[in-house]
Amino acid sequence: DTGVSQDPRHKITKRGQNVTFRCDPISEHNRLYWYRQTLGQGPEFLTYFQNEAQLEKSRLLSDRFSAERPKGSFSTLEIQRTEQGDSAMYLCASSENSGSTQYFGPGTRLTVL
Amino acid sequence: KNEVEQSPQNLTAQEGEFITINCSYSVGISALHWLQQHPGGGIVSLFMLSSGKKKHGRLIATINIQEKHSSLHITASHPRDSAVYICAADKTSGSRLTFGEGTQLTVNP
Repeated sequence: DTGVSQDPRHKITKRGQNVTFRCDPISEHNRLYWYRQTLGQGPEFLTYFQNEAQLEKSRLLSDRFSAERPKGSFSTLEIQRTEQGDSAMYLCASSENSGSTQYFGPGTRLTVL
Repeated sequence: KNEVEQSPQNLTAQEGEFITINCSYSVGISALHWLQQHPGGGIVSLFMLSSGKKKHGRLIATINIQEKHSSLHITASHPRDSAVYICAADKTSGSRLTFGEGTQLTVNP
């Protein structure tokens, strides 16, 4: 098992462009979480999935953000019409079940110019 | 006021020193997590605890549920312990984590 992986690791884009990030959780982990972290701050919750169902979305997740986990395995996070304020590290984590330890991926660092 | 607060924000120590990082939370929790984040972003889970004390190598985590307070201790600190340490509250079992802002630890040789 190689742990949680995220792709790409870095993304530089121009304001107004759309970006999509991918997260591959540890296999057979039912829970998948997305967090966002800006420089010098702790991570902030964005959304999480139980298998393919998106169970909770943060108020931070504006209508420009959408996340999917179509087959209950990998997940994608798309940001439409990116803004400079979207620049952050986007972290994915997975856990076996409710109440289990969350394992984090290396993150995708987004820079919006 | 943040639901999870850590102190200090920055901590510099000499190799070998005993280190304590504190975390206070204002919400009911099912578990409290301590995480370590190295430069470049990777986060590693150190402890998940809901009561008492846990120990792993030179790291010790304690929690006082009544006082809503947790501490992370590092004994015989080493430069490789230099990282950001983050506490996070699990307010409902297995749901989202609410994070503190992190403590930047630097251990000098």
